Amino acid sequence: QSVLTQPPSASGTPGQRVTISCSGSSSNIGTNTVNWYQQLPGTAPKLLIYNNNQRPSGVPDRFSGSKSGTSASLAISGLQSEDEATYYCATWDDSLNAWVFGGGTKLTVL
Amino acid sequence: QLQLQESGPGLVKPSETLSLTCTVSGGSISSSNYYWGWIRQPPGKGLEWIGSMDYRGNTYSNPSLKSRLTISVDTSKNHFSLKLSSVTATDTTVYYCARWNSGYYGSGSYFKSPVDLWGQGILVTVSS
Repeated sequence: QSVLTQPPSASGTPGQRVTISCSGSSSNIGTNTVNWYQQLPGTAPKLLIYNNNQRPSGVPDRFSGSKSGTSASLAISGLQSEDEATYYCATWDDSLNAWVFGGGTKLTVL
Repeated sequence: QLQLQESGPGLVKPSETLSLTCTVSGGSISSSNYYWGWIRQPPGKGLEWIGSMDYRGNTYSNPSLKSRLTISVDTSKNHFSLKLSSVTATDTTVYYCARWNSGYYGSGSYFKSPVDLWGQGILVTVSS
């Protein structure tokens, strides 16, 4: 059972917009910044979004992040087949004194 | 370009100590902006933070693993290490070494740092 709650799966067709949610609490998302990671099959995760809504250099602007209260979201617009991956949210939890992750959302491009 | 590479035995016996090393190449481990540490992922499952440490010795550990965990940094060899004692089958996972970068966007805070660099991961199986 992950501290941050994500839907286990999501899907969309090429060109569509997909949103992945990440729900937490006042001790984690409510207080700290959220990062998102993309994990392509068989590879290590890669930083996708940091500080709630910032994109690292090289990440397409099709990817965007937001945070409101104790929840965060990752949006992918103009969905492409190469976006098929598992996406994880992460943040620091002040009560647990630990980095916590969501359980991951496997995105399928139909 | 800075890279991380895990190394260590792929098979450890139950009750023994799992030992892994992460070699940092292409840059120095000694930066006040960086925390170095470990994240693990059981096959087909989600990510779990193990612990992190900066080159000065400031350490953060997952409370669920803290009693079995030792993380160390060797600046002379530009590498850092993980030791997890008394392993069981539940410790069978892919272990990633990682870098938290508190200078990534100027936050200056470990608690707001993203992991901006990952090793490729190493599968460690606990079995007799």
